[in-house]
Amino acid sequence: NAGVTQTPKFRVLKTGQSMTLLCAQDMNHEYMYWYRQDPGMGLRLIHYSVGEGTTAKGEVPDGYNVSRLKKQNFLLGLESAAPSQTSVYFCASSPGTYNEQFFGPGTRLTVL
Amino acid sequence: KQEVTQIPAALSVPEGENLVLNCSFTDSAIYNLQWFRQDPGKGLTSLLLIQSSQREQTSGRLNASLDKSSGRSTLYIAASQPGDSATYLCAVTPRSGAGSYQLTFGKGTKLSVIP
Repeated sequence: NAGVTQTPKFRVLKTGQSMTLLCAQDMNHEYMYWYRQDPGMGLRLIHYSVGEGTTAKGEVPDGYNVSRLKKQNFLLGLESAAPSQTSVYFCASSPGTYNEQFFGPGTRLTVL
Repeated sequence: KQEVTQIPAALSVPEGENLVLNCSFTDSAIYNLQWFRQDPGKGLTSLLLIQSSQREQTSGRLNASLDKSSGRSTLYIAASQPGDSATYLCAVTPRSGAGSYQLTFGKGTKLSVIP
């Protein structure tokens, strides 16, 4: 049981480049989340999904898009990266709304 | 808007000491509160989840309490060990509304246990 995995672990982008972060979970969880963690700001929710084929905006969605084509995968896309998107990105999953959330190891993204 | 505060931001204790980490939240309408541990450069590990109807939860040397009416939770660590050194985060789930899917996190307490 791998739990929640994230790909890649590290990435450096130039301003304006695009990329996709992949999150995968093998716990058959319905709910998946993308957070970003910044010094002094704590973790903030970017987007979330309550099931395959559904997505919704969180607290800081601007500049990001997401897709949940398969129940076990949740993709986070940056269409045109900006330095303000330099952060550590965490994916999480849970069985339902009010259940314990399980986090992946994170992706450290630097945008130059 | 729900705000979660953790004080102190950093704490250093000698090995073997019992310690308490504090978490406060501004809106008592929560469904649950979760304590996490984060090691440097790593993801979050869930330690304890307390439902709003519960007063405390225990796991090994860890005990978390919840006083919803006063907006406070504490994480008690007994007989601290150097391996307990990490950042501890608390997060609440709002009971209802548009934010009910969203964990609101504190900024964490960085714990150092000195051998």
